[in-house]
Amino acid sequence: KAGVTQTPRYLIKTRGQQVTLSCSPISGHRSVSWYQQTPGQGLQFLFEYFSETQRNKGNFPGRFSGRQFSNSRSEMNVSTLELGDSALYLCASSFGTSGTTGELFFGEGSRLTVL
Amino acid sequence: GQQVMQIPQYQHVQEGEDFTTYCNSSTTLSNIQWYKQRPGGHPVFLIQLVKSGEVKKQKRLTFQFGEAKKNSSLHITATQTTDVGTYFCAGSQNTGFQKLVFGTGTRLLVSP
Repeated sequence: KAGVTQTPRYLIKTRGQQVTLSCSPISGHRSVSWYQQTPGQGLQFLFEYFSETQRNKGNFPGRFSGRQFSNSRSEMNVSTLELGDSALYLCASSFGTSGTTGELFFGEGSRLTVL
Repeated sequence: GQQVMQIPQYQHVQEGEDFTTYCNSSTTLSNIQWYKQRPGGHPVFLIQLVKSGEVKKQKRLTFQFGEAKKNSSLHITATQTTDVGTYFCAGSQNTGFQKLVFGTGTRLLVSP
């Protein structure tokens, strides 16, 4: 079956702009998590959505937001981009059954460069 | 907040040597997962440990979960060049939800 698909794969923005990243999870997966990966900070948890509801949120400013649609596809948005937002943004899907922490299936990521 | 540290940050071994990475959490975990990320790739799930003191093996890889459920280790016997990558542990607290806190990662380089 198809894996997790993230678009776009690469993008370049300038400071102050905003960006929207998309993630299509594996069919049947209802949980989508977003992570930011940078060389200095490693993998940082942004948020997790399950059945269109945000269940968990990491310690990121309000400029980072997300949503999930009824088909489980998810988007994340970063407004007023800063240089420090340059990173690889990874989306991961899982079944997300409440009460368990299952295996995460990661997409290839969206590499954002902010100039 | 919950923090997960890994040591070492980096290790360079000769093919055939053993390798171990250690993972320590500031809080008790409900379970721990391990992932491998090849250079230029994305993290790929290796295993999940749930029980205190649990030990699991996958061919040359041995995973352990500490008795206090605050630490874990991954040991690779007789490394191969295909083992190159960064190994991450990821812990979940007793929330029941999908919030995994990833460790800082150990980058492994294997020379032939």
